[in-house]
Amino acid sequence: DSGVTQTPKHLITATGQRVTLRCSPRSGDLSVYWYQQSLDQGLQFLIQYYNGEERAKGNILERFSAQQFPDLHSELNLSSLELGDSALYFCASSASFGQGYGYTFGSGTRLTVV
Amino acid sequence: AQSVTQPDIHITVSEGASLELRCNYSYGATPYLFWYVQSPGQGLQLLLKYFSGDTLVQGIKGFEAEFKRSQSSFNLRKPSVHWSDAAEYFCAVGDYKLSFGAGTTVTVRA
Repeated sequence: DSGVTQTPKHLITATGQRVTLRCSPRSGDLSVYWYQQSLDQGLQFLIQYYNGEERAKGNILERFSAQQFPDLHSELNLSSLELGDSALYFCASSASFGQGYGYTFGSGTRLTVV
Repeated sequence: AQSVTQPDIHITVSEGASLELRCNYSYGATPYLFWYVQSPGQGLQLLLKYFSGDTLVQGIKGFEAEFKRSQSSFNLRKPSVHWSDAAEYFCAVGDYKLSFGAGTTVTVRA
């Protein structure tokens, strides 16, 4: 157990739907990162939050959004889902916003869009 | 722009043999470099990281990596592999935002 908790572990939904993925960071970590892992794109950085504020954005689609709440958990919202959104979505956390503080991944949420 | 190339998509190695996984990176400054391992259905586990200092870095599970600035490389090695080392290995570069290579799948044969 890495200490980063992601729920649900698996999600199957239909095209056009909206889903929310949840991440609880490791205790004491203030930064949360979201990554998407797909067969064709590999591991792609989506977005980072630090202590409730967005710090960096990567290859995140406009249909996707995220937030970090006061208790530091984070949610990734995916809307108007397409077949190509099927992927493994990882959350990671670190104590601060740089790599020098370590970076721990959760076990991921596998999203299947049918 | 930062990027990582892992030239080998798949490597098969015999149990007890040595293993070397190649990684080449592109980064604008002194790189932060990482190797992660992912077992099927699992998340990514950090094996080792390089920030500065000694260019030979020791990690968990008996792995080590050597940073060579002149070659923009950060190759991962293990002297003697175990069947449990069968997994996918990712090299990554970056600070708060990591860029990952495409990964190398390692198969261990008895």
